Amino acid sequence: GESVGLHLPTLSVQEGDNSIINCAYSNSASDYFIWYKQESGKGPQFIIDIRSNMDKRQGQRVTVLLNKTVKHLSLQIAATQPGDSAVYFCAEFLTSGTYKYIFGTGTRLKVLA
Amino acid sequence: DVKVTQSSRYLVKRTGEKVFLECVQDMDHENMFWYRQDPGLGLRLIYFSYDVKMKEKGDIPEGYSVSREKKERFSLILESASTNQTSMYLCASSLWRWGGNEQFFGPGTRLTVL
Repeated sequence: GESVGLHLPTLSVQEGDNSIINCAYSNSASDYFIWYKQESGKGPQFIIDIRSNMDKRQGQRVTVLLNKTVKHLSLQIAATQPGDSAVYFCAEFLTSGTYKYIFGTGTRLKVLA
Repeated sequence: DVKVTQSSRYLVKRTGEKVFLECVQDMDHENMFWYRQDPGLGLRLIYFSYDVKMKEKGDIPEGYSVSREKKERFSLILESASTNQTSMYLCASSLWRWGGNEQFFGPGTRLTVL
């Protein structure tokens, strides 16, 4: 069935190191993907998106990689900072029939000083 | 910047009460969504609307209804609140229906049903 999952529920990273958060999706019909950051007590905040005709997209300190062959999405955060501590989750947008977003359960990123 | 606001950050209601959650967006977005977020389950879609007076059921519509009388406002209604509806409720909007585009979220309403 449709699912968007994350390999690791919690990721601890030393401040200054790079972080990699992974996401697996199951629907090959999805053509748009988003990464969100959610801080405690707040709503999700858009980080970066990518369409299925791309393999990589870069933003400020963040990079999203899309591997359609294995249906895998990753978010890379360069030089992780304490302010990056949050829950990160991916979402896929389905264009076959329902036109809806499916969200992963999230990975908690902890930045160690 | 797009702003999505929700009427309450925290609500405490009793079982059987009728509950209204209001959401307003200020960027003339066509689509509006209501999700609930529970630990370990991620965001689950309750209802969405792609136009005024239009609504479609999401994955978990039971026990909920919605109203969209104006483009900028999308209301979620719990006709008779139950304890299993204790959750974080998130409203979101996006520009157009067809094709993927960013969803903008409100700050959320944490509802507790006693």
